[in-house]
Amino acid sequence: GAVVSQHPSWVICKSGTSVKIECRSLDFQATTMFWYRQFPKQSLMLMATSNEGSKATYEQGVEKDKFLINHASLTLSTLTVTSAHPEDSSFYICSARVAGGYNEQFFGPGTRLTVL
Amino acid sequence: GENVEQHPSTLSVQEGDSAVIKCTYSDSASNYFPWYKQELGKGPQLIIDIRSNVGEKKDQRIAVTLNKTAKHFSLHITETQPEDSAVYFCAATASWGNQFYFGTGTSLTVIP
Repeated sequence: GAVVSQHPSWVICKSGTSVKIECRSLDFQATTMFWYRQFPKQSLMLMATSNEGSKATYEQGVEKDKFLINHASLTLSTLTVTSAHPEDSSFYICSARVAGGYNEQFFGPGTRLTVL
Repeated sequence: GENVEQHPSTLSVQEGDSAVIKCTYSDSASNYFPWYKQELGKGPQLIIDIRSNVGEKKDQRIAVTLNKTAKHFSLHITETQPEDSAVYFCAATASWGNQFYFGTGTSLTVIP
């Protein structure tokens, strides 16, 4: 149980284009999902917290107009990187908290974004 | 806010030996402490967690201990195997709904 999927697992795009990453909780409902960014050999950096049906809460320094987050249902959250640039290249990971559960976060497998 | 420190940053052990990773936290309100294992190119996987109302939890070869007074918690892996090689992250959080604060990670290498 508690499986989180992400799609795509990797994506390469040209500078200036937008990329959408999906995060799905496969066998549970998630009222809260989190988006992280991870640079090589570093820890996870929280970008934003998304609650189903409401606007995401972004961490300080994260551009909300650049990283659009939508949590349209209890099993799906999306992250759209708009007008991507090479500095946006990174490993993006989502996690989900079980609705009604304690406080565990279950992570997806991550999405490797490379912007050329 | 919460500050989580993790040591060591790298750890090499011989297969069959034990490995210990330690984390300290600053916020006495933190009450949930998970440990994650991350293999190269993959997302973190929850391997064990502990809540503030217990001092120790064990799951086969993995155990976690918590000292609330000293504000530190540790991951213990016994009888290490090569497949235990990965990066391990600790985290702390206070009450439901709050964000997780992660340690900086420990790269564990188990030498066959």
